[in-house]
Amino acid sequence: SAVISQKPSRDICQRGTSLTIQCQVDSQVTMMFWYRQQPGQSLTLIATANQGSEATYESGFVIDKFPISRPNLTFSTLTVSNMSPEDSSIYLCSVDPDRDLSSYNEQFFGPGTRLTVL
Amino acid sequence: DAKTTQPTSMDCAEGRAANLPCNHSTISGNEYVYWYRQIHSQGPQYIIHGLKNNETNEMASLIITEDRKSSTLILPHATLRDTAVYYCIVRVGFGNEKLTFGTGTRLTIIP
Repeated sequence: SAVISQKPSRDICQRGTSLTIQCQVDSQVTMMFWYRQQPGQSLTLIATANQGSEATYESGFVIDKFPISRPNLTFSTLTVSNMSPEDSSIYLCSVDPDRDLSSYNEQFFGPGTRLTVL
Repeated sequence: DAKTTQPTSMDCAEGRAANLPCNHSTISGNEYVYWYRQIHSQGPQYIIHGLKNNETNEMASLIITEDRKSSTLILPHATLRDTAVYYCIVRVGFGNEKLTFGTGTRLTIIP
């Protein structure tokens, strides 16, 4: 298993500012994912963050808006840049613990960061 | 990944079995069926997964039809803590494939 913590747990921000969300894992993992969950909606994948390479963004998400860092195998950050009220969401990180790629990898999720943009 | 169809919401009496259906009629031969749930204000939690055989663990049972076009998640003795949104997801069962969440079923356990 993997234990994931996120900071901050919640924040209220002004439009036009940026917020960096941290994700810390208690073990080394290759794959980390960032999701967004808008109010009342399901989870949408923003990007996949692999250590040592550029993050891979899903359609509709760009690096300028959501820059991601992955400095090592236990840590990642997601920045929400130039925020607007439409960015108000829960942001979650998840990990795929290192296992044999020929077998199923269960994903573990962090508790989320609840962001409100005024 | 193949898409799934789930009822928007369901109610179940506490102590009874909760049966959550999922349709995945376009599932491919190498795709597994996974179930996650999300309790309010928490991140999703893995429940169970299967390919074609029925599976059971400490949390739930998964029944997959012979043609694999649908499945049912069974919580044998539902408690109030099982109130959550349940997501049925299909994806390839190896490698580092992303999870694609649908809208899920909001299950409410009634005292």
